[in-house]
Amino acid sequence: GAVVSQHPSRVICKSGTSVKIECRSLDFQATTMFWYRQFPKKSLMLMATSNEGSKATYEQGVEKDKFLINHASLTLSTLTVTSAHPEDSSFYICSARPSGSFSGELFFGEGSRLTVL
Amino acid sequence: GQSLEQPSEVTAVEGAIVQINCTYQTSGFYGLSWYQQHDGGAPTFLSYNALDGLEETGRFSSFLSRSDSYGYLLLQELQMKDSASYFCAVRGLLRDDKIIFGKGTRLHILP
Repeated sequence: GAVVSQHPSRVICKSGTSVKIECRSLDFQATTMFWYRQFPKKSLMLMATSNEGSKATYEQGVEKDKFLINHASLTLSTLTVTSAHPEDSSFYICSARPSGSFSGELFFGEGSRLTVL
Repeated sequence: GQSLEQPSEVTAVEGAIVQINCTYQTSGFYGLSWYQQHDGGAPTFLSYNALDGLEETGRFSSFLSRSDSYGYLLLQELQMKDSASYFCAVRGLLRDDKIIFGKGTRLHILP
């Protein structure tokens, strides 16, 4: 099946620093990728929809300037958490749908656990 | 907007059958998906229904009724490894529209 690679899987940083998380579709092209955030034992909260070659679409309540998303190619999207704070600590998961797919199937990365000290 | 409702927890016995229900409200609807997530892991796709009826994939089946805005996931011959969280997810009307997840149902399986 299709594979999505997410890196890093774990990251610890100090408050005020920025952290970049990469999401790559390894064997398919993805016009659209999605970024989710998940708290322990909670649901996946959609943060933004990343579109190749255009600006990301952010969900209500998600700060665009804090969570920078770039979809530079059909196989790569990045999420940068800027000026991180302890409350940004969470599990961030990316997902991708193959371009042209009609199904509701998303392929998820392994997730990145961010801890801000 | 879109919202989904599913039970927060379900408990069943190994070898038994369990059904996890999901009702949804959407401004547009393209299909209903189900995902499984084990603790600490990423969600994995189980099934997708775009049309009314039952879709069967091995021990797992999923059902959709568009007129009732309702679906369910049926797990048969439960195994201990099926202990996980199960999420229903709705895809909006546009082909490239976002997918919104329900809050998840934690399935506990007793030996």
